[in-house]
Amino acid sequence: GENVGLHLPTLSVQEGDNSIINCAYSNSASDYFIWYKQESGKGPQFIIDIRSNMDKRQGQRVTVLLNKTVKHLSLQIAATQPGDSAVYFCAEINSGGSNYKLTFGKGTLLTVNP
Amino acid sequence: SAVISQKPSRDICQRGTSLTIQCQVDSQVTMMFWYRQQPGQSLTLIATANQGSEATYESGFVIDKFPISRPNLTFSTLTVSNMSPEDSSIYLCSANQGGELFFGEGSRLTVL
Repeated sequence: GENVGLHLPTLSVQEGDNSIINCAYSNSASDYFIWYKQESGKGPQFIIDIRSNMDKRQGQRVTVLLNKTVKHLSLQIAATQPGDSAVYFCAEINSGGSNYKLTFGKGTLLTVNP
Repeated sequence: SAVISQKPSRDICQRGTSLTIQCQVDSQVTMMFWYRQQPGQSLTLIATANQGSEATYESGFVIDKFPISRPNLTFSTLTVSNMSPEDSSIYLCSANQGGELFFGEGSRLTVL
């Protein structure tokens, strides 16, 4: 497989458990945040997003929480499945900027054990 | 959603050579970007590919090393020039459509 996990924080969970992946962002002017999932050998795939006027947003099995006070973002995955094994990146953007430029966080490797 | 195709998907290159990566989007998009993802690392923006004008490069990336073309609203190329082993990386094309950023599968370059 790809070696994207060599330098990344890792999270290992049992199938069926809930997973929480955390991210600290850097720019207090960022007002739009996205979580991406990157499976081995593939490009990042959009999971869920949240704007800075919200604290929480829910999708299908996923929830994103935003704490602007401490510049922290988390992704919660309910009933984690083996297919959720991937590297997860948060990304931030200042949508008032001149272009749609995302800054990516370090990433977390999630491994789901059957 | 936009479908982005990149080629080559992977290549092994000799030091000192140059390689051009192609990115094709299945629909017209206003903004296209090129990212680099070094082994075990996150994505770093190289440049914004501007249609009809010179690309906008991020700090640490220069046109002589990473020339970019964008002849129309569906296609862009990134050239990695005079490659060294430090350029071994995954290069990803992305496009903004409807406020969402889509990515290609990436081009994995190994420089010997």
